Amino acid sequence: DGGITQSPKYLFRKEGQNVTLSCEQNLNHDAMYWYRQDPGQGLRLIYYSQIVNDFQKGDIAEGYSVSREKKESFPLTVTSAQKNPTAFYLCASSSGANVLTFGAGSRLTVL
Amino acid sequence: EDKVVQSPLSLVVHEGDTVTLNCSYEVTNFRSLLWYKQEKKAPTFLFMLTSSGIEKKSGRLSSILDKKELFSILNITATQTGDSAIYLCAVEGGNEKLTFGTGTRLTIIP
Repeated sequence: DGGITQSPKYLFRKEGQNVTLSCEQNLNHDAMYWYRQDPGQGLRLIYYSQIVNDFQKGDIAEGYSVSREKKESFPLTVTSAQKNPTAFYLCASSSGANVLTFGAGSRLTVL
Repeated sequence: EDKVVQSPLSLVVHEGDTVTLNCSYEVTNFRSLLWYKQEKKAPTFLFMLTSSGIEKKSGRLSSILDKKELFSILNITATQTGDSAIYLCAVEGGNEKLTFGTGTRLTIIP
């Protein structure tokens, strides 16, 4: 079945550590996205990539980094520079239209 | 800056009731409005609306867009416990990026 796989589902991190969240899709979609979801706030765009080897900052990119070396993969690194990293992170992809397919999410908790 | 406001923030109703969820927006060069349902983790697509006055329908769910008044509603009739979820509204503007609202948390009591 086609879809998006995010891992890990739950992740704990000590302050000062970088962590990388994995996102893999087998939908053959060109575009991929990372969103952050916090209670009481809408999904906020961190980074997006419309084609391999190219990506753009979203609205809250500070403290995050991404890479897009393969069409199927769009990993997100949460760096120690991110001031408040505890959140639910959603990866999504699309075929170029605006209808997104989402993964099941990764919940990051900073201890 | 594009803005999407959903109301109410949360809603609790009894099974069988009909509910109406609201989404208003301010966006530059509107392209489309989308509704998603988020039950536990992954939001799933419900509707995409681009034209005013044309109702989209899927079973007990329906949605309509008013581009003059800049809002959309999502109706759910004969609600069931499986309708309990967060309903997200998103709008695509001229920058081709989606702006999401905070969502409406709907709880259906058996």
